[in-house]
Parts: sequence; structure tokens; C-alpha cells
Amino acid sequence: QSALTQPASVSGSPGQSITISCTGTSSDVGSYNLVSWYQQHPGKAPKLMIYEVSKRPSGVSNRFSGSKSGNTASLTISGLQAEDEADYYCCSYAGSSTFNVVFGGGTKLTVL
Amino acid sequence: QLQLQESGPGLVKPSETLSLTCTVSGGSISSSSYYWGWIRQPPGKGLEWIGSIYYSGSTYYNPSLKSRVTISVDTSKNQFSLKLSSVTAADTAVYYCARSESGYCTGGVCYPLYYFDYWGQGTLVTVSS
Repeated sequence: QSALTQPASVSGSPGQSITISCTGTSSDVGSYNLVSWYQQHPGKAPKLMIYEVSKRPSGVSNRFSGSKSGNTASLTISGLQAEDEADYYCCSYAGSSTFNVVFGGGTKLTVL
Repeated sequence: QLQLQESGPGLVKPSETLSLTCTVSGGSISSSSYYWGWIRQPPGKGLEWIGSIYYSGSTYYNPSLKSRVTISVDTSKNQFSLKLSSVTAADTAVYYCARSESGYCTGGVCYPLYYFDYWGQGTLVTVSS
């Protein structure tokens, strides 16, 4: 299985919206609504932001939303804030076993 | 509040076996509601799932690492462990332990939901002579 494809970097100004894409294949992203997204600040552990494509865990701001179309999942952050500057990773179930997941390569979000 | 804490040597020699333990506090590792996993991150790079284990001992490994990985669980100590054999410099990484919730249950087995909701702080393991 190959890593999911994410853009290396995205940027936006405070208050704007940005979208990070996560492209997989028909064997992973395209076949299952089991995509999750993680935020990671430097030196910290990843934090779950979105699960099952579009669900938000308790405590995560509703400025974060997820969607999927075909083999590509997306994370949208609206009303950008300085604290959103971080690395973001997508993750998807990859089939072929009861537990088998693959991560994306990560996207660095810069808030200008 | 659930907490996970990784522990183990920070330096391992090439060709030897990397061994780490994750201690779970604030919750039981024996619950059928969760899976427990290991994820690693080489310096400056992305995340890689290593494998996961169910409290019953059923294990699931990344196909690319399967030949070198062993994950085990010690319910009496509320811990689970990772062993990675024949390490090289490419195995240098921050190693995280994490929890996955399970959902649909049938026949005494609950199937995972494939996301990681609680993480340890991570521990850096360097492979060097």
C-alpha cells in the first residue's frame, strides 16, 4: 500500500478558508468512509480533528470540516486563526485486513 | 482522563531489536471497546502506522513491516509493547502509542473504527552504533 497524497504546503490569511486534499485510490479512500484527519503542532503528538470523513470529536471547533469525493478526501478550515498553523495528516482504512491503515504524507499549513 | 505513556531505550544499535512499552492509565486495556496501536514518525517526515492489537491478543501489522514487528499486550500491567527487529538507521523515529475505538461487534469481537483518538507524547528512538 502507498501513502496517501497530500500537498506539501498550503497557506492562508487570518479569517480566510483553506482546503487540504488527500488523494488515495479505489482500494482505500474511494472504497470506505473511514478517513480521519490529524493536526500536529511542532514537538507535539497528533490530535484527531475529523473521523469517518466528516465527523468532529467533542471539543474540536466547527471551523474544521471534512468531505470526500471519489478517491479524494478534503479537510476545510474556515475562519483561519494563527493557532491553526500546524501540520495536517489524513489517514484511511486500506482494506485487506481487519486493521490496516495508511497515512498521507502531511501538509504544512502556514497562516500568513 | 485516559493517558498513554511510551517508555524504552532511546538508543538502539543497528541489527538489534527495538523494544518499547506503552502504559495506559485512566482506563482499562482489557476493554473490548478499543484497539491499541503504534505509529512512528521519522524526523521531519510523516506518520507511519506500524500495527495494532486487540485486548484478546489479535494483532494487525503494516504489510511493509510485518516481518520485523511483534506487538503484545499485558493486561495485568495495563500495558502493550512493540518489538522491531533488525533495525537500521531508517527506523530512527519518534514512536507513538495510540488508542482506536471499536464499533460494530459480533461474535464476541468488536471491529475497529480506524482512527486514533488518544495518543502518547511520543518517544524518540535513534538507531546508531
